Amino acid sequence: ELKVEQNPLFLSMQEGKNYTIYCNYSTTSDRLYWYRQDPGKSLESLFVLLSNGAVKQEGRLMASLDTKARLSTLHITAAVHDLSATYFCAVPPGGADGLTFGKGTHLIIQP
Amino acid sequence: DAGVTQSPTHLIKTRGQQVTLRCSPKSGHDTVSWYQQALGQGPQFIFQYYEEEERQRGNFPDRFSGHQFPNYSSELNVNALLLGDSALYLCASSWTGGGYGYTFGSGTRLTVV
Repeated sequence: ELKVEQNPLFLSMQEGKNYTIYCNYSTTSDRLYWYRQDPGKSLESLFVLLSNGAVKQEGRLMASLDTKARLSTLHITAAVHDLSATYFCAVPPGGADGLTFGKGTHLIIQP
Repeated sequence: DAGVTQSPTHLIKTRGQQVTLRCSPKSGHDTVSWYQQALGQGPQFIFQYYEEEERQRGNFPDRFSGHQFPNYSSELNVNALLLGDSALYLCASSWTGGGYGYTFGSGTRLTVV
């Protein structure tokens, strides 16, 4: 059974700081997704990583994928308050489409 | 271009009742997946529909069933509701023909009392 673990689960940081969220998964998969969720809202797609070594950047967020280590990172550069949200990584089991999500990282960025 | 539309947005039901949730996929998408998100948790995959058939199913009991219509819209039915079924139910659509993106709807908040 595929397991997806995120850490940390809760992160409070100051504006202007850098930090990284980690996502480990237990079985082979050909892609990995990162989503953002604001309180009471749906999921907003951030990145889809499709291959080993893939790196994608959007604004202050950068995601990478190491399929050999079964590890993805979401790096936040010079955090701003607007990035406060819960971030999920999700992985489809090999050969299937249904996503298995991590528990999420609740990120609070304080001025 | 409309995204994924779910209805209703909120619903309150009593234990033992049955509920039907609805989802219209994004234009051009032909596949619909349903997820349950309990408060403070990540979404859990319920099932996926393609060509009007259940193609894949997560670890949910038979009380959870679904349907996909020829216009690709979908319904999620839950029978014999339990208090533990209270959650945000999310619908995600995608296109089998290419790309790997999923578009999520805003969800239906179900409260079972």
